[in-house]
Amino acid sequence: ILNVEQSPQSLHVQEGDSTNFTCSFPSSNFYALHWYRWETAKSPEALFVMTLNGDEKKKGRISATLNTKEGYSYLYIKGSQPEDSATYLCAFFSGSARQLTFGSGTQLTVLP
Amino acid sequence: EAQVTQNPRYLITVTGKKLTVTCSQNMNHEYMSWYRQDPGLGLRQIYYSMNVEVTDKGDVPEGYKVSRKEKRNFPLILESPSPNQTSLYFCASSFTSAGEQYFGPGTRLTVT
Repeated sequence: ILNVEQSPQSLHVQEGDSTNFTCSFPSSNFYALHWYRWETAKSPEALFVMTLNGDEKKKGRISATLNTKEGYSYLYIKGSQPEDSATYLCAFFSGSARQLTFGSGTQLTVLP
Repeated sequence: EAQVTQNPRYLITVTGKKLTVTCSQNMNHEYMSWYRQDPGLGLRQIYYSMNVEVTDKGDVPEGYKVSRKEKRNFPLILESPSPNQTSLYFCASSFTSAGEQYFGPGTRLTVT
């Protein structure tokens, strides 16, 4: 089983703060890195699927970067809003294992 | 509307009583998979299917069975449920194994 780690486990920020989380994954046999947003009582929804080293993706106030050589990805949220409160999951797809392995997530709470 | 459906959404059952959780997608996806989510752990893959009649074990397959007789359906079968299978279960589908996953609404199973 591949090791995908996310930090921090949980985070509380004030409305308007910018924040970022980390996803660490094996640097060998990289194929793809996913980010999902999971709101309470809903199902996870994809934010980004990233495949190239140095890739940067953006959706509104949320952006992500990818470093496949050192095995990490950052997710940034600019100007956090209460509706950004959710668990953010990353998932690593290995070219050798051919399956998606999820991290345990970062739970973000944005306080009004 | 493109979606993944699961039934039932909630189920309380007793040890040893066989049950099936259905999963259906209407997006013509080749790849389908089942995950379980437990507190403090990430989504862990139980079984996956690359196409009709092609299934394979994920990271935690013990105690589960699956079948893929039609492209749209991928039921999860618990032949003899045990309390350690109490969990939140998600079905997911995608065009490819490395592609963006579309999740069903989840099934919360309690085995007493």
